[in-house]
Amino acid sequence: EVQLVESGGGLVQPGGSLRLSCAASGFTLRSYWMSWVRQAPGKGLEWVANIKEDESEKYYVDSVKGRFTISRDNAKNSLYLQMNSLRAEDTAIYYCARYGISATYDYWGQGTLVTVSS
Amino acid sequence: QSALTQPRSVSGSPGQSVTISCAGTSSDVGGYNYVSWYQQYPGKAPKVMIHGVSERPSGVPDRFSGSKSGNTASLTISGLQSEDEADYYCCSFAGSHIYVFGTGTTVTVL
Repeated sequence: EVQLVESGGGLVQPGGSLRLSCAASGFTLRSYWMSWVRQAPGKGLEWVANIKEDESEKYYVDSVKGRFTISRDNAKNSLYLQMNSLRAEDTAIYYCARYGISATYDYWGQGTLVTVSS
Repeated sequence: QSALTQPRSVSGSPGQSVTISCAGTSSDVGGYNYVSWYQQYPGKAPKVMIHGVSERPSGVPDRFSGSKSGNTASLTISGLQSEDEADYYCCSFAGSHIYVFGTGTTVTVL
């Protein structure tokens, strides 16, 4: 069974940093692109970042470029999101998602909440 | 990277059909056959219902169908059931490894 479990969320002050982790199981992580998608409270979904199987390509939504870094450790079956210079508008549930066929997010984690507030 | 436009809400009685539109541009919905639809219950993670515009993953009821015309994609739920009451989001590839989601639609079963 495919499982994605996020961790690392919490309360952080504006300008602070946080590192999210996503533990993958039930499939071979190194065979898939992976993504982070976020959802602000009461709002819609927003694609944040994608990373290629071998980490050679990474892509970000404009609003997080230069502040967030997506990475992975295939040996540890883990995906990460390093978030720096956090802003109030980054407050959201962050989901880890597997990128499957036809540009589809076919499996999602349960999400981890990041709250940026003083 | 503007969000795709969806109606805020749609509703229907059990057994009826409802259609949710997802309006984009030629740079996203109209330019690629990579539109997917996600169902989300409150407090839960999204679940893919349609991919590749009209393909249904294994396990998704056949009352869910997808289509596209020009820059607008659509999700139709036929034979509406109470368990279909949820939020629905479209998503499209927008070139250069960029993805954009829709604004979301709440489906209410009357």
